Amino acid sequence: QQQVKQSPQSLIVQKGGISIINCAYENTAFDYFPWYQQFPGKGPALLIAIRPDVSEKKEGRFTISFNKSAKQFSLHIMDSQPGDSATYFCAASGGSNYKLTFGKGTLLTVNP
Amino acid sequence: GAGVSQTPSNKVTEKGKYVELRCDPISGHTALYWYRQSLGQGPEFLIYFQGTGAADDSGLPNDRFFAVRPEGSVSTLKIQRTERGDSAVYLCASRFTGPNTEAFFGQGTRLTVV
Repeated sequence: QQQVKQSPQSLIVQKGGISIINCAYENTAFDYFPWYQQFPGKGPALLIAIRPDVSEKKEGRFTISFNKSAKQFSLHIMDSQPGDSATYFCAASGGSNYKLTFGKGTLLTVNP
Repeated sequence: GAGVSQTPSNKVTEKGKYVELRCDPISGHTALYWYRQSLGQGPEFLIYFQGTGAADDSGLPNDRFFAVRPEGSVSTLKIQRTERGDSAVYLCASRFTGPNTEAFFGQGTRLTVV
């Protein structure tokens, strides 16, 4: 059972464009939703995270939109840059051990 | 060091052999996690330590996998009788205890079983 579904699997965007990645979850016990960025040969690094008591969080060019009733959340990257080219993972956690359940990832390519 | 350190970076082993993968967490982080990332997939949870004890080992795929953290800092993931299907990147993460504090990941150990 895949608890966090992520789409699209890959995404190509022109420099300056908006990148949008979507995730849906099933477990209503999840209460923390981070996005991770991973470059080849590196571990995932936290990009931005949200809790379900807010519907949107913005940090610089990165915005998370959260829809609790639909159990969906998305990452928007504004003014996408070639340096943003990486794999992005949504994740979710809940409960006392805070273990993360990841989506399958989105390979983002930003063309110059 | 400032970050989570994992050694070795790469490990090639023959089918049936025993391997140990090491994780040095960020100093002061009492929570430590092991994840496994197969090619083209997201990391999958293996085991969680709070201090020295394994608080949740529900993600370990079978009894060939075992992990320890004897002094509450460094952790070792041990895999017995390795199989080709064990080939993956093994990631370690650590964090301070508390709700929704950031988990920091190491660069991973790429294990290849031939």
